[in-house]
Amino acid sequence: GAGVSQSPRYKVAKRGQDVALRCDPISGHVSLFWYQQALGQGPEFLTYFQNEAQLDKSGLPSDRFFAERPEGSVSTLKIQRTQQEDSAVYLCASSWGRGDNEQFFGPGTRLTVL
Amino acid sequence: GENVEQHPSTLSVQEGDSAVIKCTYSDSASNYFPWYKQELGKRPQLIIDIRSNVGEKKDQRIAVTLNKTAKHFSLHITETQPEDSAVYFCAASTPVWSGAGSYQLTFGKGTKLSVIP
Repeated sequence: GAGVSQSPRYKVAKRGQDVALRCDPISGHVSLFWYQQALGQGPEFLTYFQNEAQLDKSGLPSDRFFAERPEGSVSTLKIQRTQQEDSAVYLCASSWGRGDNEQFFGPGTRLTVL
Repeated sequence: GENVEQHPSTLSVQEGDSAVIKCTYSDSASNYFPWYKQELGKRPQLIIDIRSNVGEKKDQRIAVTLNKTAKHFSLHITETQPEDSAVYFCAASTPVWSGAGSYQLTFGKGTKLSVIP
């Protein structure tokens, strides 16, 4: 079956622009995670959804970051007024359970803020 | 929160030799430890995982060991092949009942493994 997909794969934004990143998880997966991966680093947790409920947003770096999953499947990560430090790969992962089992990652969206 | 340290940051081995990557974690409540392989520009892919009620797990050339007392776990790759070259990440998941908001993964900084033919 299809894996986790993300779009766009690459995004270039001018500083101050808003961006929206999309994640299509594996069908039926309850849990959805967003991670941020800076160059040469491991992924860092941003936020977690269980179905449509956002249960953990402790990793969001500022109030410019907002995520939603209104129908419990597709999720969107929105970054307002982008800054250069937002440049990173944004990874989405889904899991059939709570997340303490295999998390399947998408290919990521590489965001470059100029 | 959880903190995961990973060593070494780079590792070069000759084809056919073994490679060992070590990680330590800080939260004794963490109970799930996956290892991901990430090739350049690609998504992280799970290669093996272990739960805290198990001390060792093997899958063909790959094995993981866990020492809960010392709070460290290691990845062992035997008979390395050039296609094993990639960045490897260890991670730990802390259960929500211990105070974490979710079963998020805390990752190490990665080990770049190069297998020399």
